[in-house]
Amino acid sequence: SQTIHQWPATLVQPVGSPLSLECTVEGTSNPNLYWYRQAAGRGLQLLFYSVGIGQISSEVPQNLSASRPQDRQFILSSKKLLLSDSGFYLCAWTPRKGHYEQYFGPGTRLTVT
Amino acid sequence: RKEVEQDPGPFNVPEGATVAFNCTYSNSASQSFFWYRQDCRKEPKLLMSVYSSGNEDGRFTAQLNRASQYISLLIRDSKLSDSATYLCVVNIPTGGFKTIFGAGTRLFVKA
Repeated sequence: SQTIHQWPATLVQPVGSPLSLECTVEGTSNPNLYWYRQAAGRGLQLLFYSVGIGQISSEVPQNLSASRPQDRQFILSSKKLLLSDSGFYLCAWTPRKGHYEQYFGPGTRLTVT
Repeated sequence: RKEVEQDPGPFNVPEGATVAFNCTYSNSASQSFFWYRQDCRKEPKLLMSVYSSGNEDGRFTAQLNRASQYISLLIRDSKLSDSATYLCVVNIPTGGFKTIFGAGTRLFVKA
């Protein structure tokens, strides 16, 4: 069966510090991968999605970036965090073809202080 | 107009009640539809897909009305454990497809 992992689970970082969040998927190949952010009490905001290694599409201009160095690995990064970057970061995957439901990892709760 | 709209609630219902949520979408080309459940401080989890003919999974029934562009979720015999936020999800074909999440409807089931 397929599983998706995210780490760390929680993170407290000062403004201006760098960020690296990692997501890996097991038990599947060639998944579409997504990064979302959910601010407190708000809906999901799509940040990036990827259909393959090295292929990243950005939905919202911001100080975040994403990379996909391996088929089942998706990384979210920032060089300098802002207070507004606080939120719940969720990674999701979906099979490339034929299925459109997304499956989410457990998320990383980021607080920028 | 938002692409996907949901009543944010909260809906406060007693145990055993029947509760229904609606979700409207603006793009008539939308092709696939889902309901997700999100518990407090947890990730969203797929509850059920929504099929054109309507579908049922235990106490949960999902309906799609393409003419009026809405989907619905009916929960019968509510349990305390049904308390959560319910997210409506719509996929729009764009060459590939684009997934739009509603902001969610909060449900509190009380004893």
